[in-house]
Amino acid sequence: ETGVTQTPRHLVMGMTNKKSLKCEQHLGHNAMYWYKQSAKKPLELMFVYNFKEQTENNSVPSRFSPECPNSSHLFLHLHTLQPEDSALYLCASSQVRAYGYTFGSGTRLTVV
Amino acid sequence: KNEVEQSPQNLTAQEGEFITINCSYSVGISALHWLQQHPGGGIVSLFMLSSGKKKHGRLIATINIQEKHSSLHITASHPRDSAVYICAPYGAAGNKLTFGGGTRVLVKP
Repeated sequence: ETGVTQTPRHLVMGMTNKKSLKCEQHLGHNAMYWYKQSAKKPLELMFVYNFKEQTENNSVPSRFSPECPNSSHLFLHLHTLQPEDSALYLCASSQVRAYGYTFGSGTRLTVV
Repeated sequence: KNEVEQSPQNLTAQEGEFITINCSYSVGISALHWLQQHPGGGIVSLFMLSSGKKKHGRLIATINIQEKHSSLHITASHPRDSAVYICAPYGAAGNKLTFGGGTRVLVKP
């Protein structure tokens, strides 16, 4: 365990389903991130939260909806996804304006 | 052109061989991560460096900020080193990382 916990590890969902991914860290970090990793592509930043406030949305479709209720928890709510959204979704955390990232183990999402 | 270029994209080595992975980037940075990703998907930061050289066990990372280049070396490679290695420099402002496409390393016994 790295200190950043993601659940579930694997998720299969239909295109009409609604599901949520959860990320939790107790490292005292105040920045949290969602990344998407599709097959054979570099990691892509989706969202950044600094001090619970969203500071970046990297042109992510609205079918992905992030939520950060506090500095330790980050959610990614999913609805009406497409098969091309199948990917590994990684959460990470850090201190704002400091170096040093910690990544979670990821949720492997398959949309059928 | 990608902001972060890694070479090679794939590398196969025999156990015990010396491995070098290179990273060149165009984003303005002051620090960079080398990350390791095993087949399960989780990512671990091996190094975060902003100058010179760092060593951890059989791994050595170097960076030249002026030339915008970094290298990761694995000495006496072992099959458990088989993974994808990702170069990730910080952007010029803030705490965002930019990622290279990764180098897939396979070490055969």
